[in-house]
Amino acid sequence: DQQVKQNSPSLSVQEGRISILNCDYTNSMFDYFLWYKKYPAEGPTFLISISSIKDKNEDGRFTVFLNKSAKHLSLHIVPSQPGDSAVYFCAASPYNQGGKLIFGQGTELSVKP
Amino acid sequence: EADIYQTPRYLVIGTGKKITLECSQTMGHDKMYWYQQDPGMELHLIHYSYGVNSTEKGDLSSESTVSRIRTEHFPLTLESARPSHTSQYLCASSEFGSMVRTEAFFGQGTRLTVV
Repeated sequence: DQQVKQNSPSLSVQEGRISILNCDYTNSMFDYFLWYKKYPAEGPTFLISISSIKDKNEDGRFTVFLNKSAKHLSLHIVPSQPGDSAVYFCAASPYNQGGKLIFGQGTELSVKP
Repeated sequence: EADIYQTPRYLVIGTGKKITLECSQTMGHDKMYWYQQDPGMELHLIHYSYGVNSTEKGDLSSESTVSRIRTEHFPLTLESARPSHTSQYLCASSEFGSMVRTEAFFGQGTRLTVV
């Protein structure tokens, strides 16, 4: 039973446009959500996070939105750049479990010049 | 830039060999984790530690074992490697706590191939 789902395996956008990556979760005990960026044969790099007490967090070109009632979060990248091309993982941390992360399957973003 | 290091980056080894994947962090984090990832799949937690002499198995069953004798060091051992152990192994650390919500920092990973 997959608790964190990224239903789009891939996404292609034009440089300068907005990229929207989506993530759904099922476990109501998640209270912290994160997005990571990953290249093949490298470790994930942290991008942005959001606590369950907020509905939006922004950091430069990256914004994460959380809709708790729908158990849905999204990552917006504006404007998208070719260097953003990578696999993006959504992750969630259950309350009171010491920072363990449950990951989605990832979405491969391709930003074309 | 995160100060967490994994060695080796790549390892090709024969079936039946014993291997140890090294992971060290210089951030003083109490919490450390091992994740396993196959291509195109999510990362799965296989081991975690909340401090020295504390180790627990994660959500994905693994034949590997870990130890935590020093805060900064969290090695993973496979006593007898098999082709089914071929995967990418990722080590992470965090200062996540009951009052602190923060990210985990990952090493660059070890790509293990067992032939």
